[in-house]
Amino acid sequence: EAGVVQSPRYKIIEKKQPVAFWCNPISGHNTLYWYLQNLGQGPELLIRYENEEAVDDSQLPKDRFSAERLKGVDSTLKIQPAELGDSAVYLCASSLARRGGRDEQFFGPGTRLTVL
Amino acid sequence: GQNIDQPTEMTATEGAIVQINCTYQTSGFNGLSWYQQHAGEAPTFLSYNVLDGLEEKGRFSSFLSRSKGYSYLLLKELQMKDSASYLCAVRDSNYQLIWGAGTKLIIKP
Repeated sequence: EAGVVQSPRYKIIEKKQPVAFWCNPISGHNTLYWYLQNLGQGPELLIRYENEEAVDDSQLPKDRFSAERLKGVDSTLKIQPAELGDSAVYLCASSLARRGGRDEQFFGPGTRLTVL
Repeated sequence: GQNIDQPTEMTATEGAIVQINCTYQTSGFNGLSWYQQHAGEAPTFLSYNVLDGLEEKGRFSSFLSRSKGYSYLLLKELQMKDSASYLCAVRDSNYQLIWGAGTKLIIKP
Protein backbone atom coordinates (compact mmCIF):
# COMPACT_ATOMS: atom_id res chain seq x y z
CA GLU A 1 0.00 0.00 0.00
CA ALA A 2 1.37 3.40 -0.96
CA GLY A 3 1.95 5.85 1.84
CA VAL A 4 1.23 9.55 2.01
CA VAL A 5 2.97 11.34 -0.84
CA GLN A 6 4.17 14.92 -0.61
CA SER A 7 5.96 17.18 -3.04
CA PRO A 8 8.29 18.89 -3.27
CA ARG A 9 10.61 17.47 -0.61
CA TYR A 10 12.64 20.65 -0.39
CA LYS A 11 11.92 24.22 -1.39
CA ILE A 12 14.04 27.34 -1.11
CA ILE A 13 12.43 30.67 -1.89
CA GLU A 14 12.99 34.33 -1.19
CA LYS A 15 10.70 36.16 1.20
CA LYS A 16 7.54 37.60 -0.31
CA GLN A 17 7.45 34.86 -2.94
CA PRO A 18 4.54 32.39 -3.12
CA VAL A 19 4.96 28.68 -2.51
CA ALA A 20 2.68 25.64 -2.76
CA PHE A 21 2.86 22.17 -1.30
CA TRP A 22 0.97 19.13 -2.54
CA CYS A 23 -0.21 16.05 -0.66
CA ASN A 24 -1.79 12.79 -1.78
CA PRO A 25 -3.14 10.83 1.21
CA ILE A 26 -3.47 7.08 1.60
CA SER A 27 -6.32 5.76 -0.49
CA GLY A 28 -9.54 5.61 1.50
CA HIS A 29 -8.40 7.96 4.27
CA ASN A 30 -11.07 10.62 4.60
CA THR A 31 -9.22 12.79 7.12
CA LEU A 32 -6.25 14.87 6.05
CA TYR A 33 -4.03 17.10 8.18
CA TRP A 34 -1.49 19.78 7.41
CA TYR A 35 1.09 20.47 10.12
CA LEU A 36 4.15 22.58 10.41
CA GLN A 37 7.06 21.43 12.53
CA ASN A 38 10.00 23.45 13.74
CA LEU A 39 13.22 21.82 14.87
CA GLY A 40 12.91 20.35 18.35
CA GLN A 41 9.16 20.90 18.49
CA GLY A 42 6.10 18.78 17.99
CA PRO A 43 3.85 19.16 14.95
CA GLU A 44 1.49 22.16 15.01
CA LEU A 45 -1.83 21.68 13.29
CA LEU A 46 -2.60 24.13 10.51
CA ILE A 47 -5.77 22.61 9.11
CA ARG A 48 -7.76 19.38 9.27
CA TYR A 49 -10.09 18.14 6.56
CA GLU A 50 -12.80 15.56 6.77
CA ASN A 51 -13.45 14.72 3.15
CA GLU A 52 -13.71 18.10 1.38
CA GLU A 53 -14.66 20.05 4.49
CA ALA A 54 -12.13 21.99 6.54
CA VAL A 55 -13.33 21.11 10.05
CA ASP A 56 -10.50 22.77 11.97
CA ASP A 57 -8.56 25.70 10.52
CA SER A 58 -8.36 27.80 13.67
CA GLN A 59 -4.53 27.77 13.63
CA LEU A 60 -4.17 28.62 9.93
CA PRO A 61 -2.85 32.18 9.39
CA LYS A 62 -5.49 33.04 6.86
CA ASP A 63 -3.93 36.30 5.79
CA ARG A 64 -1.18 34.42 3.98
CA PHE A 65 -1.99 30.70 4.11
CA SER A 66 -4.69 28.92 2.15
CA ALA A 67 -5.54 25.29 1.56
CA GLU A 68 -7.89 23.25 -0.52
CA ARG A 69 -8.86 19.63 -0.83
CA LEU A 70 -10.69 19.12 -4.07
CA LYS A 71 -12.86 16.01 -4.38
CA GLY A 72 -11.82 14.97 -0.88
CA VAL A 73 -8.53 13.41 -2.02
CA ASP A 74 -5.44 15.47 -2.88
CA SER A 75 -4.72 18.67 -1.03
CA THR A 76 -2.67 21.78 -1.67
CA LEU A 77 -1.32 24.21 0.93
CA LYS A 78 -0.23 27.64 -0.27
CA ILE A 79 1.67 30.49 1.33
CA GLN A 80 1.54 33.93 -0.26
CA PRO A 81 3.62 35.87 0.48
CA ALA A 82 6.16 33.80 2.41
CA GLU A 83 7.96 35.31 5.39
CA LEU A 84 11.26 34.37 7.01
CA GLY A 85 9.42 32.84 9.97
CA ASP A 86 7.65 30.37 7.68
CA SER A 87 10.83 28.31 7.35
CA ALA A 88 9.86 24.90 8.75
CA VAL A 89 8.95 21.38 7.72
CA TYR A 90 5.39 21.09 6.43
CA LEU A 91 3.91 17.68 7.12
CA CYS A 92 0.82 16.13 5.63
CA ALA A 93 -0.90 13.24 7.40
CA SER A 94 -3.99 11.18 6.77
CA SER A 95 -6.16 8.84 8.80
CA LEU A 96 -9.39 6.89 8.84
CA ALA A 97 -11.42 9.11 11.15
CA ARG A 98 -12.64 6.99 14.03
CA ARG A 99 -13.92 9.27 16.74
CA GLY A 100 -14.57 6.47 19.17
CA GLY A 101 -11.22 4.79 18.96
CA ARG A 102 -7.62 4.87 17.92
CA ASP A 103 -6.96 7.35 15.15
CA GLU A 104 -3.53 6.47 13.81
CA GLN A 105 -2.13 9.21 11.63
CA PHE A 106 0.12 8.32 8.72
CA PHE A 107 2.59 11.03 7.80
CA GLY A 108 4.21 11.92 4.53
CA PRO A 109 7.95 12.68 4.34
CA GLY A 110 7.32 16.42 4.62
CA THR A 111 8.46 19.46 2.68
CA ARG A 112 11.37 21.37 4.14
CA LEU A 113 10.81 25.05 3.35
CA THR A 114 13.60 27.58 3.61
CA VAL A 115 12.71 31.24 3.19
CA LEU A 116 15.68 33.53 2.52
CA GLY B 1 -4.76 26.30 28.39
CA GLN B 2 -3.76 22.93 27.03
CA ASN B 3 -0.34 21.63 27.89
CA ILE B 4 1.75 18.53 27.39
CA ASP B 5 5.07 18.11 29.18
CA GLN B 6 7.86 15.72 28.28
CA PRO B 7 11.57 15.77 29.14
CA THR B 8 13.55 17.43 26.38
CA GLU B 9 16.30 14.82 26.20
CA MET B 10 17.24 11.48 27.76
CA THR B 11 20.27 9.25 27.42
CA ALA B 12 20.33 5.48 27.87
CA THR B 13 22.62 2.56 27.19
CA GLU B 14 22.17 -0.09 24.52
CA GLY B 15 20.43 -3.15 25.97
CA ALA B 16 18.97 -1.23 28.91
CA ILE B 17 15.42 -0.05 29.69
CA VAL B 18 14.22 3.55 29.53
CA GLN B 19 10.95 5.19 30.57
CA ILE B 20 9.81 8.40 28.89
CA ASN B 21 7.18 10.31 30.86
CA CYS B 22 4.41 12.54 29.61
CA THR B 23 2.04 14.67 31.69
CA TYR B 24 -0.89 16.49 30.20
CA GLN B 25 -3.55 19.05 30.97
CA THR B 26 -6.18 19.21 28.27
CA SER B 27 -9.83 20.18 27.88
CA GLY B 28 -11.23 16.68 27.90
CA PHE B 29 -9.56 13.44 26.99
CA ASN B 30 -10.18 11.04 24.13
CA GLY B 31 -7.00 9.02 24.03
CA LEU B 32 -3.24 9.40 24.13
CA SER B 33 -0.80 8.32 21.43
CA TRP B 34 2.95 7.94 21.21
CA TYR B 35 4.85 8.52 17.98
CA GLN B 36 8.49 7.92 17.10
CA GLN B 37 10.36 10.36 14.87
CA HIS B 38 13.85 9.73 13.59
CA ALA B 39 15.91 12.78 12.68
CA GLY B 40 14.85 14.19 9.33
CA GLU B 41 11.92 11.81 9.01
CA ALA B 42 8.19 11.95 9.63
CA PRO B 43 6.56 10.67 12.84
CA THR B 44 5.37 7.08 12.91
CA PHE B 45 2.69 5.70 15.22
CA LEU B 46 3.74 3.55 18.18
CA SER B 47 0.84 3.16 20.57
CA TYR B 48 -2.57 4.32 21.72
CA ASN B 49 -4.13 4.32 25.20
CA VAL B 50 -7.64 5.40 26.10
CA LEU B 51 -8.21 3.33 29.26
CA ASP B 52 -5.99 3.19 32.34
CA GLY B 53 -3.33 0.55 32.33
CA LEU B 54 -0.47 -0.87 30.36
CA GLU B 55 -0.48 -1.72 26.66
CA GLU B 56 2.40 -3.92 25.54
CA LYS B 57 3.66 -4.30 22.00
CA GLY B 58 6.94 -6.12 21.66
CA ARG B 59 9.80 -4.15 23.20
CA PHE B 60 7.58 -1.10 23.64
CA SER B 61 4.88 -0.59 26.29
CA SER B 62 2.71 2.42 27.05
CA PHE B 63 0.97 3.19 30.33
CA LEU B 64 -1.87 5.61 31.08
CA SER B 65 -3.35 7.05 34.27
CA ARG B 66 -6.22 9.37 33.38
CA SER B 67 -6.76 10.52 36.97
CA LYS B 68 -3.15 11.70 37.15
CA GLY B 69 -2.94 13.05 33.60
CA TYR B 70 0.11 10.88 33.11
CA SER B 71 1.53 8.43 30.64
CA TYR B 72 4.84 6.78 30.02
CA LEU B 73 6.46 4.93 27.16
CA LEU B 74 8.72 2.07 28.22
CA LEU B 75 11.38 0.82 25.84
CA LYS B 76 13.15 -2.44 26.68
CA GLU B 77 16.31 -4.03 25.28
CA LEU B 78 17.33 -0.75 23.74
CA GLN B 79 18.91 -0.83 20.31
CA MET B 80 20.90 1.88 18.58
CA LYS B 81 18.06 2.30 16.08
CA ASP B 82 15.82 3.44 18.95
CA SER B 83 17.69 6.75 18.96
CA ALA B 84 14.91 9.13 17.95
CA SER B 85 12.46 11.66 19.31
CA TYR B 86 9.36 10.31 21.02
CA LEU B 87 6.23 12.45 20.79
CA CYS B 88 3.28 12.27 23.17
CA ALA B 89 -0.06 13.45 21.73
CA VAL B 90 -3.43 13.78 23.47
CA ARG B 91 -6.82 13.99 21.80
CA ASP B 92 -9.03 16.53 23.56
CA SER B 93 -12.80 16.82 23.85
CA ASN B 94 -12.99 18.32 20.35
CA TYR B 95 -10.99 15.37 19.00
CA GLN B 96 -8.14 17.72 18.25
CA LEU B 97 -4.69 16.17 18.72
CA ILE B 98 -2.45 18.18 21.03
CA TRP B 99 1.24 17.38 20.57
CA GLY B 100 4.08 17.55 23.03
CA ALA B 101 7.47 18.90 21.96
CA GLY B 102 9.00 15.43 22.03
CA THR B 103 11.77 13.72 23.97
CA LYS B 104 15.05 13.16 22.17
CA LEU B 105 16.40 9.77 23.19
CA ILE B 106 20.13 9.16 22.76
CA ILE B 107 21.35 5.58 22.93
CA LYS B 108 24.99 4.99 23.80
CA PRO B 109 26.87 1.74 23.15
